Amino acid sequence: AQSVTQPDARVTVSEGASLQLRCKYSYSATPYLFWYVQYPRQGLQMLLKYYSGDPVVQGVNGFEAEFSKSDSSFHLRKASVHWSDSAVYFCAVSAGNYGGSGNKLIFGTGTLLSVKP
Amino acid sequence: GGIITQTPKFLIGQEGQKLTLKCQQNFNHDTMYWYRQDSGKGLRLIYYSITENDLQKGDLSEGYDASREKKSSFSLTVTSAQKNEMAVFLCASSILGGAETLYFGSGTRLTVL
Repeated sequence: AQSVTQPDARVTVSEGASLQLRCKYSYSATPYLFWYVQYPRQGLQMLLKYYSGDPVVQGVNGFEAEFSKSDSSFHLRKASVHWSDSAVYFCAVSAGNYGGSGNKLIFGTGTLLSVKP
Repeated sequence: GGIITQTPKFLIGQEGQKLTLKCQQNFNHDTMYWYRQDSGKGLRLIYYSITENDLQKGDLSEGYDASREKKSSFSLTVTSAQKNEMAVFLCASSILGGAETLYFGSGTRLTVL
């Protein structure tokens, strides 16, 4: 069965520091991988997604993620965080099929990012 | 751009009560979803629908019913609210399916007394 593990429930970094949020997945076929962000009292918004090709994908607001098949990982990175990046970040893998059967995303438990001024 | 509107934003119910949550989208998306978010447990899929009048069970469908009478709306019913239950219910939509982006509403926060 597909699964996603985010080992860090909470990460605290100082403003301007670099960031890595970890994500490990388990999926038998070629994965479709996503990072979503949830700001306080809001729904989730997609940051970036990986389907194939270049293992490093760029997202919004300076975020990027790197896919590693050998390590079964899809870690999220940012070179310099801002206080407004404080939010909950979810990694997700698609368990659905094309052809109208629905995109059944399997989500990790999320990492709460706190950015200290 | 489009928007997903969930009503109500806050829902307080009594144990055993039937409660209905509503979701409207104006993206003209085919597929709609209901997820439940519990603290420390991520999001779990309750129901999804790939077109009007279609319903598919997710991993957490027991205790819930859903209805998709129009393409733009998807409602979720908690058939018998559990005492001390607290969770956020998130509605989302996407084009068809596969690996498309999901667009989420801001959620309905349920408290059962």
